[in-house]
Amino acid sequence: EIVMTQSPATLSVSPGERATLSCRASQSVSSNLAWYQQKPGQAPRLLIYGASTRATGIPARFSGSGSGTEFTLTISSLQSEDFVVYYCQQYNNWPPLYTFGQGTKLEIK
Amino acid sequence: EVQLVQSGAEVKKPGESLKISCKGSGYSFTRYWIGWVRQMPGKGLEWMGIIYPGDSDTRYSPSFQGQVTISADKSISTTHLQWSSLKASDTAMYYCVRMGGYYYYYMDVWGKGTTVTVSS
Repeated sequence: EIVMTQSPATLSVSPGERATLSCRASQSVSSNLAWYQQKPGQAPRLLIYGASTRATGIPARFSGSGSGTEFTLTISSLQSEDFVVYYCQQYNNWPPLYTFGQGTKLEIK
Repeated sequence: EVQLVQSGAEVKKPGESLKISCKGSGYSFTRYWIGWVRQMPGKGLEWMGIIYPGDSDTRYSPSFQGQVTISADKSISTTHLQWSSLKASDTAMYYCVRMGGYYYYYMDVWGKGTTVTVSS
């Protein structure tokens, strides 16, 4: 099983600043990496797939990068609604054995 | 609009059976894999399994194989997640998800979730 490790667990950033969230895979997942955002009391929603492609309707302040084992989600100019939890997930297997990171909580500094 | 509409919250006792549902609309239901994801209270996301409604090909996470059954009824564009004997540890939110992509699939549309509470 591929283990996904997100860091940090909690990230404190001021509104308007940039946030950089990391995700590491225990073995290469190529570019088969997605990021999801989960607001309190809501279902997660897809932000990024293919490591760097924004999903439909996702603002341009969200960007993803990386390949292989190291990935980054960058949120430029943080808005109040961005201070929630983010998960990475690899989908580089068939038959499928998808795994998520443990999540990063973005909090207001 | 693509939507996954899940059935309502359930409260059950240990040992009881349960089947929850997820109805897809706004897209060709039989042409996309549908997955299920568990989120235990205050915890992260766990992938449980996926099903292709076109032919009911089903794949499970090893962690959930034998613990749950995923099925589909393409005539009503609905997939199901069922338990034959619930445990307290099955208490969680369960999300159905549409799998986007080709060969390598990500979770592009999420249902709002079904809360399952198992308590004596």
